[in-house]
Amino acid sequence: EPEVTQTPSHQVTQMGQEVILRCVPISNHLYFYWYRQILGQKVEFLVSFYNNEISEKSEIFDDQFSVERPDGSNFTLKIRSTKLEDSAMYFCASSTVGYTIYFGEGSWLTVV
Amino acid sequence: KNEVEQSPQNLTAQEGEFITINCSYSVGISALHWLQQHPGGGIVSLFMLSSGKKKHGRLIATINIQEKHSSLHITASHPRDSAVYICAVARAGNTDKLIFGTGTRLQVFP
Repeated sequence: EPEVTQTPSHQVTQMGQEVILRCVPISNHLYFYWYRQILGQKVEFLVSFYNNEISEKSEIFDDQFSVERPDGSNFTLKIRSTKLEDSAMYFCASSTVGYTIYFGEGSWLTVV
Repeated sequence: KNEVEQSPQNLTAQEGEFITINCSYSVGISALHWLQQHPGGGIVSLFMLSSGKKKHGRLIATINIQEKHSSLHITASHPRDSAVYICAVARAGNTDKLIFGTGTRLQVFP
C-alpha cells in the first residue's frame, strides 16, 4: 500500500521561530496538499500545489506560510514566524486527478 | 452554517450492531469522501463517491446527489472500528480542496 510520509511527527517550537514540516508524497501523484486540524476542531484546507505552483490557498495561508517542492520528491510547508494559534496537527496529502486522496500520519506542532 | 454537516456527533454501539453515519452538504460537489481518523490522528481514505453506492468489506457508502446526502454504513461492527469518521466534499468547479465535516466519533464495545 503506497503511503505519504511526514516528518517530524511532533515538534515543539518557541513562538516566533521558523518551522519546516516535511512530506514525501506518493511518487506518481501530481496534486499535493496541506491541511491542518486544531485540537478538537475539524480539518481545514491550507493549500494545494500542482505543476510546481500553488493552485489554491485558503485565507489561513497568509504570508507567514509557504510551500515548496525543492527536489521532485519532498513537499514542504514552512511557517516563517510561528504564533501560538499555529499549534495544530498538519496533514500532508497527495492524489492523482479523480482518484483517492492519501493522507500522511500528520505532524503535530506545538508552539509555546 | 457549516457546508458539511454530520450526524450523529457521537455514537456508541455493541459489537455486531449495524452502524449508520449521515452526511449532508449544502454545496454542489464533484465528489464526496469518507475518511477514518484513528486516535493517533492519522487519516485514512475509505471511499470516494460521485454517485450511487460503493462497498468494501463491511463498509458501505451511498450518496444521493439530488438530496445532497450521503451515508456510511458499517455492518457487524467490531471494536477495531472505533474511530472518528469524517465526511469531506470536493466542491464542484475548478477546485480540488476538500471541505470537511466535524466528524462522528464511534465507539464499539465488546
